[in-house]
Amino acid sequence: AQTVTQSQPEMSVQEAETVTLSCTYDTSESDYYLFWYKQPPSRQMILVIRQEAYKQQNATENRFSVNFQKAAKSFSLKISDSQLGDAAMYFCAYRSMTGGGADGLTFGKGTHLIIQP
Amino acid sequence: DAGVIQSPRHEVTEMGQEVTLRCKPISGHNSLFWYRQTMMRGLELLIYFNNNVPIDDSGMPEDRFSAKMPNASFSTLKIQPSEPRDSAVYFCAIPRGGRRSDTQYFGPGTRLTVL
Repeated sequence: AQTVTQSQPEMSVQEAETVTLSCTYDTSESDYYLFWYKQPPSRQMILVIRQEAYKQQNATENRFSVNFQKAAKSFSLKISDSQLGDAAMYFCAYRSMTGGGADGLTFGKGTHLIIQP
Repeated sequence: DAGVIQSPRHEVTEMGQEVTLRCKPISGHNSLFWYRQTMMRGLELLIYFNNNVPIDDSGMPEDRFSAKMPNASFSTLKIQPSEPRDSAVYFCAIPRGGRRSDTQYFGPGTRLTVL
């Protein structure tokens, strides 16, 4: 079974600064997907960014980018120019590529990101 | 907008009562996932459906939990009888079609409190 570990229960960053959230995972599979989801106080789960394991290029979405290290099984999220609206819980998630869309996500425990004005 | 409606958004009930949570994708999907979020266990998969058929229900806690997906536009998660330890936020999620079908989009969740 796959496991996802987020070792930082809480992180704090000054507004406009850059912060990196860590995620490691354990799997014996070679093909899979990785995701970061954001959960603000409204509790809505919002997709931030996704990465296919077969792609060497790191995914980017505006101020959000990842550092995907497949050999190290590491998938960190970098948020540049942090904004107050970025304050939320961030979850790293893994999904197998074998099921053709019918596999569930395995989540980490989350990192609570605080933005200091 | 994830394109998923969940109802009710909040449910407070007493131990022993039956609870039914509902999920309605705005456009029909033949795959659907139910997740539960608690402080102790985090986010965990309960069950998923493909082609409206339950494929893996190994995450369902016990026989008190049951789920159905009678068609591509509706699913229910039922707890009977409910217990205080069932208090959690329950999400349903759908994979978007086309080349993005590997990505799951979540509904707003139902916060269940069992007294």
